Amino acid sequence: AQTVTQSQPEMSVQEAETVTLSCTYDTSESDYYLFWYKQPPSRQMILVIRQEAYKQQNATENRFSVNFQKAAKSFSLKISDSQLGDAAMYFCAYNGDSNYQLIWGAGTKLIIKP
Amino acid sequence: DTGVSQDPRHKITKRGQNVTFRCDPISEHNRLYWYRQTLGQGPEFLTYFQNEAQLEKSRLLSDRFSAERPKGSFSTLEIQRTEQGDSAMYLCASSPTSGRDYNEQFFGPGTRLTVL
Repeated sequence: AQTVTQSQPEMSVQEAETVTLSCTYDTSESDYYLFWYKQPPSRQMILVIRQEAYKQQNATENRFSVNFQKAAKSFSLKISDSQLGDAAMYFCAYNGDSNYQLIWGAGTKLIIKP
Repeated sequence: DTGVSQDPRHKITKRGQNVTFRCDPISEHNRLYWYRQTLGQGPEFLTYFQNEAQLEKSRLLSDRFSAERPKGSFSTLEIQRTEQGDSAMYLCASSPTSGRDYNEQFFGPGTRLTVL
């Protein structure tokens, strides 16, 4: 069975600085998708960035980028120029090619210090 | 397009009562998912529909839980004889089967259930 592990329950960063959130996963599938979702306090889950496993190029979305290491089964999220609005729970999620459910990590709480 | 909506947003009930939640997906999405999220944890998959067909169910979905999507549009999740352990946020998501957003799940605001 696939698993997703986020080993950092909480991270804090100074506003305008860069922070990296870690995620590792375990799978025997060769084709899959990886996602980072953001869940602000009392607000709904929104997609931050996605990565298709067959793509070697790391995905980027404005200030958000990933470091996808397929052989190491690692998928970290880098947030540059952190802003107060980035404060939230961040979840790493896996979606395999053989089914459609998302398998989630336990989340990392990101605190932004002004 | 107003996104995924869920009703009610909050539900407080007494142990042993039945509750029903509704999810309205994004209109052109034919995949619909239910997840359960307890405080401080990531969501856990409950069930998945493609159109009106329920294609996958988690072992978490005990006999007290039932989900329907009768016309392939909105979905309902019913919990019978609620227990205190059912207290959680119930999340609904939908996704398209093609296009730029293929495989991305769009989430609703959730229904927070409290069982007293």
